[in-house]
Amino acid sequence: EAGVTQSPTHLIKTRGQQATLRCSPISGHTSVYWYQQALGLGLQFLLWYDEGEERNRGNFPPRFSGRQFPNYSSELNVNALELEDSALYLCASSPGTGLRQETQYFGPGTRLLVL
Amino acid sequence: DQQVKQNSPSLSVQEGRISILNCDYTNSMFDYFLWYKKYPAEGPTFLISISSIKDKNEDGRFTVFLNKSAKHLSLHIVPSQPGDSAVYFCAACLYGNQFYFGTGTSLTVIP
Repeated sequence: EAGVTQSPTHLIKTRGQQATLRCSPISGHTSVYWYQQALGLGLQFLLWYDEGEERNRGNFPPRFSGRQFPNYSSELNVNALELEDSALYLCASSPGTGLRQETQYFGPGTRLLVL
Repeated sequence: DQQVKQNSPSLSVQEGRISILNCDYTNSMFDYFLWYKKYPAEGPTFLISISSIKDKNEDGRFTVFLNKSAKHLSLHIVPSQPGDSAVYFCAACLYGNQFYFGTGTSLTVIP
């Protein structure tokens, strides 16, 4: 069974541009989470989508946004890129049973570099 | 503000001995805690979890201890094996599936 996949693996952008990151969850999973891991920091919770709806978001500015498609894949968009947005962006999925305490399965991440 | 902290960036242990990884948190509202393991170029993989109503949970060689009064979590690996060498993240969960992760501890098990 395929795990969580993310694309691209690496992305280089310049300040002010927009970045789009993509995530495909494990088949049958309806919940998708996005995290940012900047250098020296732990994973910072960004967004949680379930059944196509944004369920929760972390303490990030509105230029971080996303969506979840009918096939449960998800996209993270970062507008007006800043240098400090350079980080590893991880996507995770879970079955979305409605149980709050679900194991999350992570993808390998997209490394974004903003120049 | 880092609500979950792993103060030891690295740890080296001899094969066969016990590895103890520590984690501290600040928010008393956390009620579910997890440990993840990460190999290079891969995403974190779930290892073990514990609910705040418990103080210990075991799964094979892995045991997680929770001390709520001290807001402290630890992961014990016994016996440690070279394949356990990886980065270990602790995580804590708030209502709304909002997970907070520590910065990770890199464990090296020396054969």
